[in-house]
Amino acid sequence: GAGVSQSPSNKVTEKGKDVELRCDPISGHTALYWYRQSLGQGLEFLIYFQGNSAPDKSGLPSDRFSAERTGESVSTLTIQRTQQEDSAVYLCASSYPGRFGYTFGSGTRLTVV
Amino acid sequence: SQKIEQNSEALNIQEGKTATLTCNYTNYSPAYLQWYRQDPGRGPVFLLLIRENEKEKRKERLKVTFDTTLKQSLFHITASQPADSATYLCALDILSNDYKLSFGAGTTVTVRA
Repeated sequence: GAGVSQSPSNKVTEKGKDVELRCDPISGHTALYWYRQSLGQGLEFLIYFQGNSAPDKSGLPSDRFSAERTGESVSTLTIQRTQQEDSAVYLCASSYPGRFGYTFGSGTRLTVV
Repeated sequence: SQKIEQNSEALNIQEGKTATLTCNYTNYSPAYLQWYRQDPGRGPVFLLLIRENEKEKRKERLKVTFDTTLKQSLFHITASQPADSATYLCALDILSNDYKLSFGAGTTVTVRA
């Protein structure tokens, strides 16, 4: 596609439920990144994929968070047993390998009630 | 610990003036530094990338400088327009194998007509 697509754009879930967030990167972008942005805060790194391997999972906040990527395309970020502090905008970005600018999606706004 | 600091105060300027934003970093030795623009409800958009061996980079009305001795980057918007109103983020790329970017919290710019 023309850009990075994320779905859903908004998700309201009850505390304790599991959620799946999806990211479709730009075709040909082998690098894929997940960040989290809380209200008025900067971007917090979560995880990075090169192809379908994840060399850096250091940012995942807890073992309730996991992510996978199919080949060099779609990625899914899963949050199990959601907590209120998980409420944030989850941003996905993709890029060519190497030092290039990222292309971000519009994000998924997650609200845990 | 590593830290990235941007102007903590929002910047309000008159149309036609130059906006200057600061990005300072500590305990980093970035190979690259990038600047992004973020509008409300949207993901960041890549603007410019500058390498450690480059002193200055220009793109249309934007100018970025990178001083690795001072550990500082300056971002200038010349002949500012109301459409330039947004939050601007700097991001540092550490010379490693994973190309992960660490982002500053951003500076909000408002250009008055």
